[in-house]
Amino acid sequence: GAVVSQHPSRVICKSGTSVKIECRSLDFQATTMFWYRQFPKQSLMLMATSNEGSKATYEQGVEKDKFLINHASLTLSTLTVTSAHPEDSSFYICSAQRGGEDTQYFGPGTRLTVL
Amino acid sequence: QKEVEQDPGPLSVPEGAIVSLNCTYSNSAFQYFMWYRQYSRKGPELLMYTYSSGNKEDGRFTAQVDKSSKYISLFIRDSQPSDSATYLCAMSRAAGNKLTFGGGTRVLVKP
Repeated sequence: GAVVSQHPSRVICKSGTSVKIECRSLDFQATTMFWYRQFPKQSLMLMATSNEGSKATYEQGVEKDKFLINHASLTLSTLTVTSAHPEDSSFYICSAQRGGEDTQYFGPGTRLTVL
Repeated sequence: QKEVEQDPGPLSVPEGAIVSLNCTYSNSAFQYFMWYRQYSRKGPELLMYTYSSGNKEDGRFTAQVDKSSKYISLFIRDSQPSDSATYLCAMSRAAGNKLTFGGGTRVLVKP
């Protein structure tokens, strides 16, 4: 199989705080992980691509200092939303890709609500 | 204009009917084409993956790619209420590259 988990599944925080979201590939090694955000009734928008052991590549318009991505191992990537504000409230989804393969396997998503 | 266009729906069909979904795209560099199913508040699940033009069948699902028309389709035969979800097309230029998604089509299969 190719199972990807995310934790937490849901988080509510106050404005100004930082939130960390974990993405894990449970039964395979992921050389590349992707982070997306999805607003209600909209499609997935790629935020950044991370390769194990190197800096993430951010899409145009995504603030790298606000959305910190760490891909410390072949099974774990983290997204930290720093100084979160209500406009950061969204559904954040990660995906993972095996080395040498084309397909991405998605996690179940994390719903972030910033009050 | 978006790179990948997909009718948002909703597409409502009776149980047992064929569901027909499609996407059009503008970038001829896309080579890899995927269809994902997403239930509400869940992550997308890969349904079909095809490379270049042609057809691919997997159970009740058939994916078609027509690169000359920049048009891809997904057909779901014998639709079930459990097929009610949002279906997203996605494509990439090369293996392992980032995906570009369509906006998704919401499908409702009524019992």
